[in-house]
Amino acid sequence: NAGVTQTPKFQVLKTGQSMTLQCAQDMNHEYMSWYRQDPGMGLRLIHYSVGAGITDQGEVPNGYNVSRSTTEDFPLRLLSAAPSQTSVYFCASSYSAGGYTSNYGYTFGSGTRLTVV
Amino acid sequence: QQQVKQSPQSLIVQKGGISIINCAYENTAFDYFPWYQQFPGKGPALLIAIRPDVSEKKEGRFTISFNKSAKQFSLHIMDSQPGDSATYFCAASMGWGKLQFGAGTQVVVTP
Repeated sequence: NAGVTQTPKFQVLKTGQSMTLQCAQDMNHEYMSWYRQDPGMGLRLIHYSVGAGITDQGEVPNGYNVSRSTTEDFPLRLLSAAPSQTSVYFCASSYSAGGYTSNYGYTFGSGTRLTVV
Repeated sequence: QQQVKQSPQSLIVQKGGISIINCAYENTAFDYFPWYQQFPGKGPALLIAIRPDVSEKKEGRFTISFNKSAKQFSLHIMDSQPGDSATYFCAASMGWGKLQFGAGTQVVVTP
């Protein structure tokens, strides 16, 4: 099935641990992004990439790193997990940042639910 | 600071009723306004979108109304069904810029 694949689906971390959330897409989308979703706060952009080798910060980048070595993959790294990073994380991809160059907008993965204890 | 303000946070509507969700924005450079639908445990998915050169767009039971002068747009769900129970997000972007999402509205349709 074409789309955005996120792994793992669930993760529990201890404070201070590090981990990588994986995101892969097979639609040859140039634009990829990471969001976190928290109750009452909607979707907040963490980091994004407009193509391989190009990344930039969103509105809540602190505590997270990204890299984009290939068009397909866009992993999100938590450097030293904190309870404030407990959230549901979504990866999204599109032909363009605004999502309007096709009728499909952003394609989201099914999310990673992360709990930091 | 949220560039797209969405209300209400939640709403309950009876089957067959009309659900209305409102969004307001400040940046007049926004030129693309999509709505996303999210079911529990899933990622959001594009539902319907509009550009500011039209005042209304309808797809099936879903309609976007757009008021450029008031900088507001809304989603109407006609003949609401239990299967429409989901969280709805409005969003906006300009040119090749990133989408800015509203905070979301949880819609519950009772049988």
